[in-house]
Amino acid sequence: DAGITQSPRHKVTETGTPVTLRCHQTENHRYMYWYRQDPGHGLRLIHYSYGVKDTDKGEVSDGYSVSRSKTEDFLLTLESATSSQTSVYFCAISGSQGYGANVLTFGAGSRLTVL
Amino acid sequence: LAKTTQPISMDSYEGQEVNITCSHNNIATNDYITWYQQFPSQGPRFIIQGYKTKVTNEVASLFIPADRKSSTLSLPRVSLSDTAVYYCLVGDPTGGGNKLTFGTGTQLKVEL
Repeated sequence: DAGITQSPRHKVTETGTPVTLRCHQTENHRYMYWYRQDPGHGLRLIHYSYGVKDTDKGEVSDGYSVSRSKTEDFLLTLESATSSQTSVYFCAISGSQGYGANVLTFGAGSRLTVL
Repeated sequence: LAKTTQPISMDSYEGQEVNITCSHNNIATNDYITWYQQFPSQGPRFIIQGYKTKVTNEVASLFIPADRKSSTLSLPRVSLSDTAVYYCLVGDPTGGGNKLTFGTGTQLKVEL
């Protein structure tokens, strides 16, 4: 989607290796989110950010860390990847509170396979 | 945590109206209700948003009763291309409205 890009789009790695996924936005939106999606589980929130250096945990944060050192970038790190973290990861952004606060714009997704 | 409940799946035929209902008993006073559509291998995309009563745009209508504990997405005259997963989303009160958690979604299948 315009204004939000995820990298890498596809990655295959081995168990125990560190992995970092990057979400980059050009919309200057305040809020950024990382979700994972697995068959039969819908979208599950991993972590979210409500400003530079301000982050909080979501539903499934164990095994993941995040960082946001500047408005445009939100990094998701798997310190030691496991096979259970094989998934499609989506980044999303939203810009405001009040009307429009829940309107998320999603990236194209990053497909991660942990062997 | 705010929780949404939707039917797992629905089937319809082209040209019919489809109504998908979402229950959200813990919705907060300031929360808005938003619906998304997701096709395979793509991220969800915004369909419609509302706070109360009825909202209509070029693709759907959203009906919200006075108690706001549920909402209904209405898709008029569906086509094969409307086959997708539909999610409703409300803000999570414990996260200041920004801990946005999705339910399992509704798989809509449209046939000829």
